[in-house]
Amino acid sequence: AQTVTQSQPEMSVQEAETVTLSCTYDTSESDYYLFWYKQPPSRQMILVIRQEAYKQQNATENRFSVNFQKAAKSFSLKISDSQLGDAAMYFCAYIEEYGNKLVFGAGTILRVKS
Amino acid sequence: DAGITQSPRHKVTETGTPVTLRCHQTENHRYMYWYRQDPGHGLRLIHYSYGVKDTDKGEVSDGYSVSRSKTEDFLLTLESATSSQTSVYFCAIKGALDNQPQHFGDGTRLSIL
Repeated sequence: AQTVTQSQPEMSVQEAETVTLSCTYDTSESDYYLFWYKQPPSRQMILVIRQEAYKQQNATENRFSVNFQKAAKSFSLKISDSQLGDAAMYFCAYIEEYGNKLVFGAGTILRVKS
Repeated sequence: DAGITQSPRHKVTETGTPVTLRCHQTENHRYMYWYRQDPGHGLRLIHYSYGVKDTDKGEVSDGYSVSRSKTEDFLLTLESATSSQTSVYFCAIKGALDNQPQHFGDGTRLSIL
C-alpha cells in the first residue's frame, strides 16, 4: 500500500523568509500525482500545488514551488517570501494514475512569525 | 470555490444513535468522496462513489455506509455511532478526467458522547 510521510510535525519561519516542508512517499507505481493542500484554522482544505510524476519540471504557483525527486520519492514544498496568511497545516498527498484513493501524510503545522 | 456544501457543519450526539451526514455538489462531478480527519493521521478515505448507485470502500470503512441516489448528493451514515467515530468529516468531489484534483467541502465536526 502506498504511504506518505511528513517527518516535520511543526515548522516555524520568519515573515518574508523561505521555508521548505518535507514529504516522502512509497509506491511501486510509475505514474501518479502528488499534491500539497493547505488547511488554515478555518478548516478549509485548499489545493496549493500539484505535480504529475511523468513531468520532470518542478511545479510552481507564485510563491509556492516543489522539489520533486522521483527516484528518491521525495516531494518537498518551498514557500518563498512567507506571509502571515501562510500559517496553516500543510498536507502532502498522493494518488496513483486512474486511482481514486488519495493518500495523505499526517501534516506539518507551519507557524509564521512577524 | 468548488460548489460543495456539507451539512450539518457541527453535530453532537450520543453513542448508539444513527447519524447521517450530507454532501451536496453543484458541479455535476462524477466522483465523490468521504474522508475523516484525526490528529496524527491526516485525512483517511472512508468511502467513495464513481456514479449514481456506484460506491466502493476506502481505508477506514468499518462502521460506515454510504448512498448516492442522485449525482449531486452523497450521504454518509453511521448506523450506530461510537465514540471512536468522533472526528472531522470531509466530502470531496472530482471531475471525470484523471488529472483533475479533488476539491473539498468545509467539513463537519462530529462529536459522539
